[in-house]
Amino acid sequence: EVQLVESGGGLVQPGGSLRLSCAASGVTFSSHAMSWVRQAPGKGLEWVSGISGNGGSTYDADSLKGRFTISRDNSKSTLYLQMNSLRVEDTAVYYCAKDGGSGPSWFFDLWGRGTLVTVSS
Amino acid sequence: SYVLTQPPSVSVAPGKTARITCGGNNIGSKSVHWYQQKPGQAPVLVIYYDSDRPSGIPERFSGSNSGNTATLTISRVEAGDEADYYCQVWDRSSDHPGVFGTGTKVTVL
Repeated sequence: EVQLVESGGGLVQPGGSLRLSCAASGVTFSSHAMSWVRQAPGKGLEWVSGISGNGGSTYDADSLKGRFTISRDNSKSTLYLQMNSLRVEDTAVYYCAKDGGSGPSWFFDLWGRGTLVTVSS
Repeated sequence: SYVLTQPPSVSVAPGKTARITCGGNNIGSKSVHWYQQKPGQAPVLVIYYDSDRPSGIPERFSGSNSGNTATLTISRVEAGDEADYYCQVWDRSSDHPGVFGTGTKVTVL
């Protein structure tokens, strides 16, 4: 079955860290760019970070100011998001999303179900 | 960073046509993609590269893009089309290249 499954979310205090994972199955993982997209409660979608298929190029939202780092392990078909210095406003459901093109096209044709990150004291 | 503006809501009767706009500066020069999101679910791609439909998406969904406005059109609207819809572009020249629109809630009357 073709799917993406996120994990690693939870409750964390402001200033803390979390690492999210996204396990892919049924897809040729290394052939596709991947992204993280988040959605705060009751709000719209916000693109967070993207990475090319071989991991050589990464792209981040300027609002993150270097606090988040995207990476991937193609041998494990897994995408990661390391989140540091977390703030209350980072509270959201975090989705991983697969690029829909054969080369980086930066639209998303497969999404995971998301993992909830709550930043609160 | 690049801004995409959508109307907050669109209401349409069953069997009629819904048009959802996505405004951006010279958006016609970019590729626009559209997603449908139902409550409690992940988004689903419904249109890519302005007007292409993924397999499994009904022909009732179509898209266009020109000038400063892209449009998602849903023909013969059904109750199951009620959802939030988001446009999206990739702005290569920006330090925030991945951009989603503000989202439109489509209500089927």
